[in-house]
Amino acid sequence: NAGVTQTPKFQVLKTGQSMTLQCAQDMNHEYMSWYRQDPGMGLRLIHYSVGAGITDQGEVPNGYNVSRSTTEDFPLRLLSAAPSQTSVYFCASSYSRSGGQPQHFGDGTRLSIL
Amino acid sequence: QQQVKQSPQSLIVQKGGISIINCAYENTAFDYFPWYQQFPGKGPALLIAIRPDVSEKKEGRFTISFNKSAKQFSLHIMDSQPGDSATYFCAATYPGGGNKLTFGTGTQLKVEL
Repeated sequence: NAGVTQTPKFQVLKTGQSMTLQCAQDMNHEYMSWYRQDPGMGLRLIHYSVGAGITDQGEVPNGYNVSRSTTEDFPLRLLSAAPSQTSVYFCASSYSRSGGQPQHFGDGTRLSIL
Repeated sequence: QQQVKQSPQSLIVQKGGISIINCAYENTAFDYFPWYQQFPGKGPALLIAIRPDVSEKKEGRFTISFNKSAKQFSLHIMDSQPGDSATYFCAATYPGGGNKLTFGTGTQLKVEL
């Protein structure tokens, strides 16, 4: 049982490049989300999904796209990378969309934009 | 706007001592308050959580104290151990908000021998 798997673990991009951060969970969880972690700011919600085919914006969605074609996968796309998107990105999942459900986090993708 | 304020930013405690991390929230609609523990290079992991209908919850050496009127809650780590050295985040969710977590800014705890 792998839990939440994120790939790649590290990535360096040039300004203007695009890329996709992958997230997969094998727990048949309904709810998935993406957070970014920056020093002194905690984790901030980028996008989330309450099930296949359903996504919505979080606190800091600009510059990012998501889709959820299957229950297992929830990729995050950077459309045109900017230095301000240098961060550590975490994917999380929980059994349901109901508040109070424990969220399981992956080990993150460390992204640097030059 | 930081809806969950966390302090201190960093904390050094001697082995066997008590570690205390405080959080304050603004949104009175919040109804679930988890604490997450994060080790370097890893994702956060749920440590303990509380709902506002109780004032205290204890799990082993970890205790959450909750003060609804003051809109504050805190994490106490009793008999702190070097293995507790990590970053701790408080968080909150609200009804109708799905399972969206609003995090505090984190506290880096170091437990010294």
